[in-house]
Amino acid sequence: GQQVMQIPQYQHVQEGEDFTTYCNSSTTLSNIQWYKQRPGGHPVFLIQLVKSGEVKKQKRLTFQFGEAKKNSSLHITATQTTDVGTYFCAGVANSGGSNYKLTFGKGTLLTVNP
Amino acid sequence: NAGVTQTPKFRILKIGQSMTLQCTQDMNHNYMYWYRQDPGMGLKLIYYSVGAGITDKGEVPNGYNVSRSTTEDFPLRLELAAPSQTSVYFCASREFNQPQHFGDGTRLSIL
Repeated sequence: GQQVMQIPQYQHVQEGEDFTTYCNSSTTLSNIQWYKQRPGGHPVFLIQLVKSGEVKKQKRLTFQFGEAKKNSSLHITATQTTDVGTYFCAGVANSGGSNYKLTFGKGTLLTVNP
Repeated sequence: NAGVTQTPKFRILKIGQSMTLQCTQDMNHNYMYWYRQDPGMGLKLIYYSVGAGITDKGEVPNGYNVSRSTTEDFPLRLELAAPSQTSVYFCASREFNQPQHFGDGTRLSIL
C-alpha cells in the first residue's frame, strides 16, 4: 500500500534558527496536506497543496509540493517557541478508492530552545 | 458549530472490559475516520467510513469495530480490551479533497 516517509523524526533548534521537514510518498499523490500537533493536543490543519511544483507561504512557513507530486517539504524561517510541536504530512493517493484516506507520515517533532 | 466531538476524554479500563468511544460531527461530512496514536508516534488508521452505512478497515482494525448508522455519528467499539490498546484515539471527519478536522481525542488506559 501507499507509504509516506517523513524525516527527520526529531529536530531540536535554537530559537531563531530555521527548520525543515521532508515528506516522500511511494506513489504519486492527488494532494498533500500538512498538520501541526501541539503537545497534548490534536492535529490541526495547516495547508493543502494540489498542483505540481506548488509553493505556498504562511508568514514564516513555506510549503512546497514536488514536480512529480511525490514529495513535499515544510520550511520554517526563524523559529519561535510557539512553533514547538509535531508536524505531519498527509498524502491523498491519486487513484481509485485510495483517495478516501489520508496516509500520514510519522511526523517530525520540533523543539525550540529559547 | 462544535466540529468533531469525542467522548469520553479519558477512560481507564480493566483487561477484558468493553467500551464504546463516541464521535459526532456537525459539519455534514461524509468521510469519518478513527486513528490511534501511541506515545511519540504517528497516526494509525483503525477504520474509516465514506458515508452512512459504509465502513472499511484501515491499517490496524483488529480488536475494534465500528458502525455508521447516521452521517453525524461514528462510534468505535472495543470488545475485549487489551493492554496493547492503551493509546490516544482521535476521530476525524472531512469532505472529499478537503482538510481533515480532528476531535480532541480520548486518552484510554487499559490495566
